[in-house]
Amino acid sequence: QVQLQESGPGLVKPSQTLSLTCTVSGGSISSGSYYWNWIRQPAGKGLEWIGRIYASGSTNYNPSLKSRVTISVDTSKNQFALKLSSVTAADTAVYYCTRRGEFWGQGTLVTVSS
Amino acid sequence: EIVLTQSPGTLSLSPGERATLSCRASQSVSSSYLAWYQQKPGQAPRLLIYGASSRATGIPDRFSGSGSGTDFTLTISRLEPEDFAVYYCQQYGSSPLTFGPGTKVDIK
Repeated sequence: QVQLQESGPGLVKPSQTLSLTCTVSGGSISSGSYYWNWIRQPAGKGLEWIGRIYASGSTNYNPSLKSRVTISVDTSKNQFALKLSSVTAADTAVYYCTRRGEFWGQGTLVTVSS
Repeated sequence: EIVLTQSPGTLSLSPGERATLSCRASQSVSSSYLAWYQQKPGQAPRLLIYGASSRATGIPDRFSGSGSGTDFTLTISRLEPEDFAVYYCQQYGSSPLTFGPGTKVDIK
């Protein structure tokens, strides 16, 4: 069974860069033609797709965030990562990593506040 | 970008009743790449249906999906107490991937 776990700071200051890592266990991030997503959800609101990466390193981003987002993969560590720059309070949300839509991490709350 | 609209916003039903949830896309969803998720408070979403009509692993057969093109439906044949939750549709046929705003199924 594939499992995903998000990790990273729970508090980020405005204008700084949010950095999260997703560690994959129970399967190789390189196997299959899967893509690996970051999705976020502000409190009490719906789901927003941030972007995805394939094991090859190919990426797609949400145009609304594209100028601030970088998703990368480290196959040697079986991890992929999210960086979101110039954060504001509007970026406060639970951030999820997923393998396609099948497997999800538990989510991690990131609060943007000084 | 494909915009997804879900209706109704809230569906109030009793256990044992049938639930019919709608998801409409602003343009045709490629290859019926449409998924449905269930989310309960404090939990990550759970995949129910992919490819518009295929049940994900371990999903009870009271959940079924149908539709193509721009109109999709999730049906729960007989609501169980654990089915009261928020349901989201998502298209993954074209980038950016997009979600609908959700339908809340609550107890009448």
